[in-house]
Amino acid sequence: DVKVTQSSRYLVKRTGEKVFLECVQDMDHENMFWYRQDPGLGLRLIYFSYDVKMKEKGDIPEGYSVSREKKERFSLILESASTNQTSMYLCASRRTVTEAFFGQGTRLTVV
Amino acid sequence: KNEVEQSPQNLTAQEGEFITINCSYSVGISALHWLQQHPGGGIVSLFMLSSGKKKHGRLIATINIQEKHSSLHITASHPRDSAVYICAIWGSNYKLTFGKGTLLTVNP
Repeated sequence: DVKVTQSSRYLVKRTGEKVFLECVQDMDHENMFWYRQDPGLGLRLIYFSYDVKMKEKGDIPEGYSVSREKKERFSLILESASTNQTSMYLCASRRTVTEAFFGQGTRLTVV
Repeated sequence: KNEVEQSPQNLTAQEGEFITINCSYSVGISALHWLQQHPGGGIVSLFMLSSGKKKHGRLIATINIQEKHSSLHITASHPRDSAVYICAIWGSNYKLTFGKGTLLTVNP
């Protein structure tokens, strides 16, 4: 019954690596979102997409890019991972505000 | 000032106690979520509310749109309820704004 799937629960990557975080939803939702969670700062919006090939910067887009080639998949890309990108990453999708779902999160550690 | 304020930040209770966590927000919303995150774990959506009250097992969530306030109640709390509880609101735009979370510890 999983509706929003993030490809990994835990990831460890090296500084400078290119990192892809994948999020897939099976509900035909137009809107998808990427957040990161840090102690004391809570969850903050990195990027969102309101349709295929459409994207908007959130509050903290620096160091990230995204890709939405198909409606069901929204990828977060760290072009050159850095230690300050060690965080929990959360994907969400929605059709309307009353139909919104969250992934389980990906804990990324950059060493 | 944050758009979403939760209280308390930390809460310690004894097993069996009734728990209340509060969420206040300062903007018009379309809906509000309550989320749960266990230590080291992922985030699970407990409730999505746009009005009234919802109940799931020992968990009850209420919202008062006029007062811009929501509460999450846990009846007969149990150590397995120990987690961070997060309130999040959908505003008038695409953004979902999160509170900082409430760390609940239930001791046996």
